[in-house]
This record gives sequence, C-alpha cells and structure tokens, in this order.
Amino acid sequence: IAGITQAPTSQILAAGRRMTLRCTQDMRHNAMYWYRQDLGLGLRLIHYSNTAGTTGKGEVPDGYSVSRANTDDFPLTLASAVPSQTSVYFCASSEEAGEGTGELFFGEGSRLTVL
Amino acid sequence: AQKITQTQPGMFVQEKEAVTLDCTYDTSDQSYGLFWYKQPSSGEMIFLIYQGSYDEQNATEGRYSLNFQKARKSANLVISASQLGDSAMYFCAMREIDTNAGKSTFGDGTTLTVKP
Repeated sequence: IAGITQAPTSQILAAGRRMTLRCTQDMRHNAMYWYRQDLGLGLRLIHYSNTAGTTGKGEVPDGYSVSRANTDDFPLTLASAVPSQTSVYFCASSEEAGEGTGELFFGEGSRLTVL
Repeated sequence: AQKITQTQPGMFVQEKEAVTLDCTYDTSDQSYGLFWYKQPSSGEMIFLIYQGSYDEQNATEGRYSLNFQKARKSANLVISASQLGDSAMYFCAMREIDTNAGKSTFGDGTTLTVKP
C-alpha cells in the first residue's frame, strides 16, 4: 500500500543520546514535513522540505535537524535528546507546495520518550 | 495570535444526531486552504475534508460538510447522523500559500464523544 512509513514506531531514549527518526514515502510527493504532537494538543511543525535538497525551519525547530537527500526520505535527528522532546512525531507529505489542495498524508507516528 | 482556534476542547453528541465542531482562523493571505483531520484513539491522522478560500460552495464529503463563512473567518465541520466510530479527536488546519510557503498550521483539536 502506497504511503508513508515511519520508524521506529516507539522508542525510549536516555537524555543526551542521539536519535534519528526515519521517514520514507513512495508517493513521489515533493513536500515533506515533520510535526510533533504533545498530549492533548495539536500538531506543531518542526521542519519541512518543499523539494529534495532544500529544508526549512518550522514553528519549533530547536534541538532538531533534518536532511532531504532524495525525494523519498526525510529523516529527523535529535542530536542530544532532552525530556521536553518526549512526544509523538508525525511525518507527512503533500503534493508540491503551492499546488493541489495541499492535503497532508501522514505516517502512523513515532512515539518517543526521553528519560 | 493563534492562527487556528478551536474553542471546544470536548463535545458530546447522541448517536444519529448532527454535531458542529467550531474552527476560526486568522490569515492575511488571499489564497489559503482549510482542512479537517480526524485522529481516532489509535493515533493515525485521517484527512476528512478540504475547502479552498476561493470556493463559493461549501465542501461536502459524505456525512461531513464544511460550513465556510469567509467574512467571519470560520470553517466549522458538520457531521451528520453521528456514528459511534466518529468518536475521535478532530483537528482544523489551514494552509497558507503566500505567507507560509504552503505549510499547514493546526488547531489544538476537539475531542468528540458519540453516545449510544
């Protein structure tokens, strides 16, 4: 089934450790996004990429980095995890930014706990 | 100021009745899109309905309709004939083309509980 695959599904991590959340899509969408969702709240944008080779900062980028070496993959890295980064992370994609409706296609989420 | 405001943290509705979930937005863009997403307790995000800022007709998708009042900057979701499976969290989102490079901003959500 076409869509977005995130890994890992769930992870418990010690503070200070480095962690990369993986995201792969097979819909050939140009735009990809990383959101975090904290308990009882909506989604906040961490980083985005409108096309391979480019990335941008979202609303809450501090402590996170991304790369977009190709169309399909958009990994999110926590260089040195802190407890406030405990959250559920969603990767999403959409048709080329500015075109189409911009409906977001989401992965199933990665639940990260930083102790 | 919040770009997307959902003022109802929780809503209850009787099965088979209609319910309206409120959403107001704030933007200076002329071109934007409004979305509703559903998040069941299993956690996935499901797209429900889309309304473009230039669309003159309210969007409908099956039992979902979007009551779009552009002058009031509101985009309320109406669910008709509620079903138990509609119990979930619902998020309103806005995609701004001009000032936000096509990125989407989400409200804090409304938890809907459908009572049998």
